[in-house]
Amino acid sequence: GAVVSQHPSRVICKSGTSVKIECRSLDFQATTMFWYRQFPKQSLMLMATSNEGSKATYEQGVEKDKFLINHASLTLSTLTVTSAHPEDSSFYICSASLPDRNTEAFFGQGTRLTVV
Amino acid sequence: GQNIDQPTEMTATEGAIVQINCTYQTSGFNGLFWYQQHAGEAPTFLSYNVLDGLEEKGRFSSFLSRSKGYSYLLLKELQMKDSASYLCAVTDSNYQLIWGAGTKLIIKP
Repeated sequence: GAVVSQHPSRVICKSGTSVKIECRSLDFQATTMFWYRQFPKQSLMLMATSNEGSKATYEQGVEKDKFLINHASLTLSTLTVTSAHPEDSSFYICSASLPDRNTEAFFGQGTRLTVV
Repeated sequence: GQNIDQPTEMTATEGAIVQINCTYQTSGFNGLFWYQQHAGEAPTFLSYNVLDGLEEKGRFSSFLSRSKGYSYLLLKELQMKDSASYLCAVTDSNYQLIWGAGTKLIIKP
């Protein structure tokens, strides 16, 4: 299957700093990538849809100025959590799909963010 | 609104069979997925159903009834490593994935 690589897998940062998470499709071109957040014992919550070469589409309630998404190429999307606070601590996961929309999503390994 | 329901937690015995149910109410339907997620890891794909019926893949099978808005994941010959959360997800008319909250499966020796 297709491979999506996400980095870093774990990060601890101080409150008020910014953290960048990278998501790469290694063996296919992903015009669309998705960013999810998952709190303990809860399901995946879609934060935004990242489109190559255009602005991301954010879900209701997600602050676009706080969660900056850049999809500069067909293989790379980044999520930057700006001015992080302890409540931003969560598991962030990216995914991408092949152009055939009836195929499964391929997930990155996830990033465990802890803000202290 | 769109809704996917699955049990929060299930317990089964090693070597046995377990069925995890999923019911959905979505605006349109373009397929149903089952994913396995171990704690602290990303989900991994298990199965995809778009037509009614049973899809079998080794120890895992998935069933779909579109008229009933219902699916189940059947796991046979349970192994300890099958302890994980199982997520049901439906693609709606806009091809957006709608996720269930997941079912935590606990396997006991």
